[in-house]
Amino acid sequence: GENVEQHPSTLSVQEGDSAVIKCTYSDSASNYFPWYKQELGKRPQLIIDIRSNVGEKKDQRIAVTLNKTAKHFSLHITETQPEDSAVYFCAARKQGGKLIFGQGTELSVKP
Amino acid sequence: EAQVTQNPRYLITVTGKKLTVTCSQNMNHEYMSWYRQDPGLGLRQIYYSMNVEVTDKGDVPEGYKVSRKEKRNFPLILESPSPNQTSLYFCASSLASGRQIGGYTFGSGTRLTVV
Repeated sequence: GENVEQHPSTLSVQEGDSAVIKCTYSDSASNYFPWYKQELGKRPQLIIDIRSNVGEKKDQRIAVTLNKTAKHFSLHITETQPEDSAVYFCAARKQGGKLIFGQGTELSVKP
Repeated sequence: EAQVTQNPRYLITVTGKKLTVTCSQNMNHEYMSWYRQDPGLGLRQIYYSMNVEVTDKGDVPEGYKVSRKEKRNFPLILESPSPNQTSLYFCASSLASGRQIGGYTFGSGTRLTVV
């Protein structure tokens, strides 16, 4: 069935370093790929998304890349700050379908 | 303000006492869904609804019921709660198929404890 695999499950970086989280999806019909950030005890919030007609999208320190052929997409955070510490979820969706979430990555940014 | 409103935010109840968690959205979204979140297990879908009077099971529907009588509301019903339903619950909504689909908007969450 439809599946999204997310790696790593935990990631620890030093403040100022970059962080990369990777996801693969199984359904080639997927055409929408959002990323959510969830701080402890709070709701997941959309931070960036990409559609299948675009290979890369950037918003300040965060960027997402998509490789449709390989069915991979990745989140890149540059110049990490302690407030970037959170759980990040990737997801994939096709027209007429629901969001399929990855298992989440707990990012810890150490000052 | 466009939002998904869940109530209550916190609830402690006893085993077997029926309860309802309400969810309401003001964005005219067709699609609504309930998730539970437990440590190490990510977001697991309980039920979802593509439109009024259309509901379907997600990955973990056992012990839950839903209804979608109106487009804006999607309550989650626990007829006989058990301790293994202690969890953090999120309601979410979005536009459905046939349009430019997007991500979900999540409610603030309901932390349920069943003792």
